[in-house]
Amino acid sequence: NAGVTQTPKFRVLKTGQSMTLLCAQDMNHEYMYWYRQDPGMGLRLIHYSVGEGTTAKGEVPDGYNVSRLKKQNFLLGLESAAPSQTSVYFCASSDPRGDSIDTQYFGPGTRLTVL
Amino acid sequence: GQQVMQIPQYQHVQEGEDFTTYCNSSTTLSNIQWYKQRPGGHPVFLIQLVKSGEVKKQKRLTFQFGEAKKNSSLHITATQTTDVGTYFCAAANQAGTALIFGKGTTLSVSS
Repeated sequence: NAGVTQTPKFRVLKTGQSMTLLCAQDMNHEYMYWYRQDPGMGLRLIHYSVGEGTTAKGEVPDGYNVSRLKKQNFLLGLESAAPSQTSVYFCASSDPRGDSIDTQYFGPGTRLTVL
Repeated sequence: GQQVMQIPQYQHVQEGEDFTTYCNSSTTLSNIQWYKQRPGGHPVFLIQLVKSGEVKKQKRLTFQFGEAKKNSSLHITATQTTDVGTYFCAAANQAGTALIFGKGTTLSVSS
C-alpha cells in the first residue's frame, strides 16, 4: 500500500498562474483533507471532504477550490496564485470513528513557491 | 471558532532531560490525538486519548487526558536526539468531521 501520495512534490509558480495539486489514497478512507503549513502557524485546514462528491470549507479556504470526483482522489486548485500561498501543502485521509474521527494519514507534502 | 492552544511553541533541552508539551481547549473534547512531525517530514499519528483522566504510555512517552477532557499533555522522559521534531495535538471539530490542530511544540535536543 502506498498510503497517501501527493503530486507534485515541488512547484514554483508565478503570481497569477494556476495549478492543481493531486492527492490519492489507497486505504478506501471516507474523509480527505487539505492543509497548509507555514512557520509558526501549525497545520491549517483549507478544505475537506467527508465523501465522494462532497466538499466543505476549513479554516483558510479563500483562494482555493477542491473537488472529489472519485473516493480515492482529492484535488486542490489554485486559480490565480498569490505569494501569500507560498507554503507546504499536506493532504490527509481518515475514516469516521463513532461520532469522531479516526487516525489521519498524511501524504509527504507539496512545497509550493509563488513568485 | 473552536481552538486548541498548545504550549510552549519551542523547547530546547539537553539530551537526557525531560520534556513536556501541553494542550488546552476552552470546550470539552470528545477525544484528542497527538502527532509527531520530524524535520522535513509529514505528521505521523502517535496516539488517541478518549476517556477522562486517561493515561497511556509508549516507551518514554506518556500521554494524559485531563479529568474535564479540556486539556492534555505529552511528556517525554530522558529525551534522545531521535525525539527531535514538532509535536501536535489535535481535537475533532464539533461535527466530528475534521481535526483542529494546535500550533505545535518544536523540540530540539542537543547532545
